Amino acid sequence: DTGVSQNPRHKITKRGQNVTFRCDPISEHNRLYWYRQTLGQGPEFLTYFQNEAQLEKSRLLSDRFSAERPKGSFSTLEIQRTEQGDSAMYLCASSSVEGLSEAFFGQGTRLTVV
Amino acid sequence: AQSVAQPEDQVNVAEGNPLTVKCTYSVSGNPYLFWYVQYPNRGLQFLLKYITGDNLVKGSYGFEAEFNKSQTSFHLKKPSALVSDSALYFCAVREWNSGNTPLVFGKGTRLSVIA
Repeated sequence: DTGVSQNPRHKITKRGQNVTFRCDPISEHNRLYWYRQTLGQGPEFLTYFQNEAQLEKSRLLSDRFSAERPKGSFSTLEIQRTEQGDSAMYLCASSSVEGLSEAFFGQGTRLTVV
Repeated sequence: AQSVAQPEDQVNVAEGNPLTVKCTYSVSGNPYLFWYVQYPNRGLQFLLKYITGDNLVKGSYGFEAEFNKSQTSFHLKKPSALVSDSALYFCAVREWNSGNTPLVFGKGTRLSVIA
């Protein structure tokens, strides 16, 4: 296993379209996190899963955003009716359940809404 | 609520000189503290973490960080900077005994090491 993998790396979409991103975590990691990063800011938490259960969602995650982790392995993040303000880098990270563990990040998906 | 402050947007240092990137945190309980580095078009890479024990933590690439509970700080340091250390550095915190809640990140500090 070479780490956290995210696809696609880049996505350009027209305003109003739906987009879906995929994250494949490190295989033995139970926890999976989604963050959003805009220029000049640190990563902002969106949501996280333990196995297939979505345990927490940020207030940043509007109704247009939905995330799934159907079998406790890979995860998808969907944004419906995209807006220009959704343009950002979307980062996925995974960690083991053990509370002292650090999170390992993927390279991110850069979304541009035009 | 947990928060992290990185007071410097940019730090410039000459190659071979020591570097410090500052971080202060706020949690209601005991903190877990982390440093990550981000190179252009790359994800965040873990550098080091403080959980408990020795206040001086050593990490990857010769970096270290000092935990200071009274000043609620966790500054990142390196004795001799390299040009290849130029990158974006993020401090992050998680509260102890918080059920492994997600990390809260600072805004980041851009380090520029000049040859």
